[in-house]
Amino acid sequence: DAKTTQPPSMDCAEGRAANLPCNHSTISGNEYVYWYRQIHSQGPQYIIHGLKNNETNEMASLIITEDRKSSTLILPHATLRDTAVYYCIVRRNNNAGNMLTFGGGTRLMVKP
Amino acid sequence: DAMVIQNPRYQVTQFGKPVTLSCSQTLNHNVMYWYQQKSSQAPKLLFHYYDKDFNNEADTPDNFQSRRPNTSFCFLDIRSPGLGDAAMYLCATSRDWRLAGGDTQYFGPGTRLTVL
Repeated sequence: DAKTTQPPSMDCAEGRAANLPCNHSTISGNEYVYWYRQIHSQGPQYIIHGLKNNETNEMASLIITEDRKSSTLILPHATLRDTAVYYCIVRRNNNAGNMLTFGGGTRLMVKP
Repeated sequence: DAMVIQNPRYQVTQFGKPVTLSCSQTLNHNVMYWYQQKSSQAPKLLFHYYDKDFNNEADTPDNFQSRRPNTSFCFLDIRSPGLGDAAMYLCATSRDWRLAGGDTQYFGPGTRLTVL
């Protein structure tokens, strides 16, 4: 499985963009990058995923480098409710299913 | 709203006393997963069902079993809970992993298990 490396914690000022980096240097060509977040005492919540191209949805943008060895999740205008642990995951897929192997994640603290 | 439901949200059991955690979904998804999340750790996959096919992770202890009587329901049985099994147990679903373009997992709120 391709492993991911994320900083353990980050702070961001409310209203500013939060840029969360992730390294996945051993990713293989058909593996997707997924981002989930987990707000305290809740189940993980899907944010976004991508393969090669940059992606944007109503929650965030995902920027994947051309060599696919790293990516950045961007929350354009962070709010206090975005305080959570953010997990960058490279999806492992085999004939038995779609597996998510969670790493340590980044604890994002959005401050007023 | 379609969702993944876990009951109860908090469960207390005694050391060695069997316990069952429940998960139901209204999403009509083919795949259901059980994860264990210990305090300050990331979720760890225990096993999953693709329809009726059960798939166990290699390092999941034999103490953990699962049942999926129909599409909507999936149960996690812990035969003889130990103190080390105290954790949040998360259920998730996904539509069908064979879909091109990736496949999103939707998580329930979790059941926090305490072992006395």
